[in-house]
Amino acid sequence: DVKVTQSSRYLVKRTGEKVFLECVQDMDHENMFWYRQDPGLGLRLIYFSYDVKMKEKGDIPEGYSVSREKKERFSLILESASTNQTSMYLCASSPQATGLGLKQYFGPGTRLTVT
Amino acid sequence: GNSVTQMEGPVTLSEEAFLTINCTYTATGYPSLFWYVQYPGEGLQLLLKATKADDKGSNKGFEATYRKETTSFHLEKGSVQVSDSAVYFCALSVGSSNTGKLIFGQGTTLQVKP
Repeated sequence: DVKVTQSSRYLVKRTGEKVFLECVQDMDHENMFWYRQDPGLGLRLIYFSYDVKMKEKGDIPEGYSVSREKKERFSLILESASTNQTSMYLCASSPQATGLGLKQYFGPGTRLTVT
Repeated sequence: GNSVTQMEGPVTLSEEAFLTINCTYTATGYPSLFWYVQYPGEGLQLLLKATKADDKGSNKGFEATYRKETTSFHLEKGSVQVSDSAVYFCALSVGSSNTGKLIFGQGTTLQVKP
């Protein structure tokens, strides 16, 4: 069965801390994504990566960075956490193939609270 | 630009009621359309999809038809169960890009009461 795992389900951090959220997929997918989910706003793309060491900004990259040193692992970094980054963070992956209707596979999410 | 708009929730229904969740989109080009579902405490999973006009996606009793003339992809189910309680997201991807990027609607919470 395909699997996307995230390092923590719940995380509480203090303002100004550096925060690492880890995501691992076991499907050998080229594409990986980080979203944040907020009530009434749906999912918003923070960053995505289409290959090792390759990344592109999504719709809301400010305050975040990412790292992809290995194909299976995609990390989201909050350089200096702020209270407005309190949210649910979802990681996803998909194969890199031409054609329509590519499916994304999601992890269970990390609920981050910044106090 | 590209965007997805869903009906506001929450939607509360009794078991065996008929469900419709509206979804409309704006897109340049010819999008593929998706419905994802998020059960409590879980990540999203694909429920169904359609890749061209007049296609009907279906799964687990849910259906949605890609309507180009009305730019809509409404989700329907004839008889909901308590286990269908979840958040439903409509989404689109544009073109045949191999990045698989999706644009999501804001989500609609469905609560089904016994």
